[in-house]
Amino acid sequence: SQQGEEDPQALSIQEGENATMNCSYKTSINNLQWYRQNSGRGLVHLILIRSNEREKHSGRLRVTLDTSKKSSSLLITASRAADTASYFCATDATGANSKLTFGKGITLSVRP
Amino acid sequence: DAGITQSPRYKITETGRQVTLMCHQTWSHSYMFWYRQDLGHGLRLIYYSAAADITDKGEVPDGYVVSRSKTENFPLTLESATRSQTSVYFCATRTDYNSPLHFGNGTRLTVT
Repeated sequence: SQQGEEDPQALSIQEGENATMNCSYKTSINNLQWYRQNSGRGLVHLILIRSNEREKHSGRLRVTLDTSKKSSSLLITASRAADTASYFCATDATGANSKLTFGKGITLSVRP
Repeated sequence: DAGITQSPRYKITETGRQVTLMCHQTWSHSYMFWYRQDLGHGLRLIYYSAAADITDKGEVPDGYVVSRSKTENFPLTLESATRSQTSVYFCATRTDYNSPLHFGNGTRLTVT
């Protein structure tokens, strides 16, 4: 079964707006990662947040992690049309032997 | 620096045929993974390998065989292809836990 569950499943926003995507998971983790996938391509790693971290930034990306609620959020600020893609959270569960488990993904559309 | 190369990029085969998907990395990462991506299911782990000659099952291993005689190669074989194995297959590598996955561009397999 999927460890990570993203929310919403689809998101459509105007260029310049912020996009917030959420991920919930079920078991204890070593880290949580976010990936982006453009149509027809492989997944690209965006950011990794460890279980002892609460917030991390990378350019226009901000990721938060709340291990007490078993949830994470990805914020993309000042979105661009080029941010249109599918976004996945993946969990590195404790004791899972380095296997990452992915959610089903969020489709983000940024309208120019 | 090619990174991860998957071949073929596209493959059409008939039910019952054996088909092998290739994955080659130039980094010497310890871990290699095979995922399949289907609409409505996200990415699901088929098999993974922690090192040469060490492989283990993932979430959906039935109907698949893997081998890893060399660190850089991790082929995935469908012994007798079925229509339910029509999917996009991604190979990925990582150095260890708490590191990101690096993905190939995928193989789109159609079983007729």
